[in-house]
Parts: sequence; C-alpha cells; structure tokens
Amino acid sequence: DAKTTQPPSMDCAEGRAANLPCNHSTISGNEYVYWYRQIHSQGPQYIIHGLKNNETNEMASLIITEDRKSSTLILPHATLRDTAVYYCIVRSSISTGNQFYFGTGTSLTVIP
Amino acid sequence: NAGVTQTPKFRILKIGQSMTLQCAQDMNHNYMYWYRQDPGMGLKLIYYSVGAGITDKGEVPNGYNVSRSTTEDFPLRLELAAPSQTSVYFCASSWDSSNQPQHFGDGTRLSIL
Repeated sequence: DAKTTQPPSMDCAEGRAANLPCNHSTISGNEYVYWYRQIHSQGPQYIIHGLKNNETNEMASLIITEDRKSSTLILPHATLRDTAVYYCIVRSSISTGNQFYFGTGTSLTVIP
Repeated sequence: NAGVTQTPKFRILKIGQSMTLQCAQDMNHNYMYWYRQDPGMGLKLIYYSVGAGITDKGEVPNGYNVSRSTTEDFPLRLELAAPSQTSVYFCASSWDSSNQPQHFGDGTRLSIL
C-alpha cells in the first residue's frame, strides 16, 4: 500500500473550514483514499473515502487531485469537538489482510 | 446501535499473567481485526479474520493468539504478558475486503507491570 505524508499538526479557528492535506504520490490505480480521526485515544472513527472523484457526506468533503497524488479533507465549519488526530490512509481494494496502515496523522486543534 | 464492543476497557496485569480481550460486533461483518496502538504512534495490525474458523497473522502477531468460532466474536489472547505488550488494543470489523471501511471499538487499555 502507498505511503502517505501529512503535516504533524494544524490549527483552525472555530467556525472556519479546516483543510487537511495529504500527499500520496505513489498511489496506484486500485488504491482508495480513506480518512479517519481519533479523539482522545478513542477508537478511530471513519470519516470518508474515495477513489478518484470528490466525495461529500454529512461529516466532510474529500477532494482528490486529478493525478490522485494528493487529497484534502475539508471540515466545512470546524467545531471544538473536531479537535482530534486525523489519519489519511491509502489502501488497495485487493490488499492482503485488508489492513489499514495508520501513520501518525495530523493533530488538528480547533481554537475558540 | 452497538457496533463493535470491546471488554474490558482497562486492565492491569502482572508479568507472566494471561488474559483474553473480548471483541464482539453486531453488524454481521465477515472481517474482523485486532490492532495495537502504542503512545504517540499509529495502529499496527496484530491478527485478522476473514470469517468464522479462519484467522491470519498481521504485522505484529508475536505474543498473541486469536480464535474465531462465531461471526460475532473475535477474542485476543495474551498467554504470558510482557511489559512490551502495554498498549491500547482496538478491535475492528468490516463487511468485506474491498473498499469498505473498517469500524472500530473504543479500545482496551492494558498495562503490564
């Protein structure tokens, strides 16, 4: 599975959009991009995933560049409860063991 | 909506003791997984199962055993607890092995003293 690169930390003002970048320059054609977050060492929470088209759900939007080498998770109106570590993961749909490789993620702090 | 339930939430063991971490899911998912997370680190896969009666090793299986007798349950066994196994353990499940996301429990915090 392709590796990902994320900034270690980011701040965002409450009520503003939080844009979390992820670089996955070695991604292959059958690999999806997934985003999870982890709040206060709780279990990772699934946010969104996509292959090549932009995706949106009730939590966030996922923007994937045309060459698929990077993506951005957008939280449209960040709240204090969005303070968490955000993980960007790429995984093949045919990956052995279906493992999700979690790195160290981006620690997002939403500031009042 | 219980999802993935892990018990216990916290446990302290002495070196050499054994214990079983329980994991149950009510989503009828075929795939189940055990991860460990050390402080400040990402998650590492210990074992996984693709269905009842079928298990396989992940990235860090040494010191652990698993079994899968039912679709719902996937217990993780520590036979001889060592300080290196102090960690937070997460169980997860998914519908299949394609693009479906994994859903996680809230974890078991284990300390070996």
